[in-house]
Amino acid sequence: QVQLVESGGGVVQPGRSLRLSCAASGFTFSSYGMHWVRQAPGKGLEWVAVIWYDGNNKYYTDSVKGRFTISRDNSKNTLYLQMNSLRVEDTAVYYCARGVGADEHIDYWGQGTLVTVSS
Amino acid sequence: QSALTQPASVSGSPGQSITISCTGTRSDVGGYYFVSWYQQLPGKAPKLMIYDVSNRPSGVSNRFSGSKSGNTASLTISGLLAEDEANYYCCSYTTSSTLVFGGGTKLTVL
Repeated sequence: QVQLVESGGGVVQPGRSLRLSCAASGFTFSSYGMHWVRQAPGKGLEWVAVIWYDGNNKYYTDSVKGRFTISRDNSKNTLYLQMNSLRVEDTAVYYCARGVGADEHIDYWGQGTLVTVSS
Repeated sequence: QSALTQPASVSGSPGQSITISCTGTRSDVGGYYFVSWYQQLPGKAPKLMIYDVSNRPSGVSNRFSGSKSGNTASLTISGLLAEDEANYYCCSYTTSSTLVFGGGTKLTVL
């Protein structure tokens, strides 16, 4: 069965960096686009970024452009999110998710990892 | 990349039907038949309920249905059950090749 397991969350000071990882199993990772979606405490879902199956196309929400970088290693079945210049408003649970279909809609989600940006 | 507009809350009694709306623009909901809906129970990851406006993944009850008219998509849940109480989010593909979510709707089963 599809499994997505995030790691790398924690508490970090504003302006610092953090890298999230997502280990995928149960499907052919290199055939699927992958997303990061976040959810601030008590708030709704916010789409963050997507990377196509081959890593050749990446798209971001405006609020993280220039600060976050999505990447993948298909040989390791792993998705990454490098987060630089973190802000208090980046505090959220970050979900790794699989994309499918022409629109890369999300069909499977990980359980999430909490990132807290605080001084 | 403004969030899609959903009502903050809806409610219904067991056995009734409810509909949750999701309003966007021609750049997202109105431009494609690429709207999906997710159910999120407290403390859990979201679950896909509807994709491509009206398609149900395997295993999702046929009490859940979706539709779209113009810039507004809708999720209808018929024969409400207590277990349907959750937050529901719509999501659309956009002209920028990104996804955008709605603000979420809390469904209360009375």
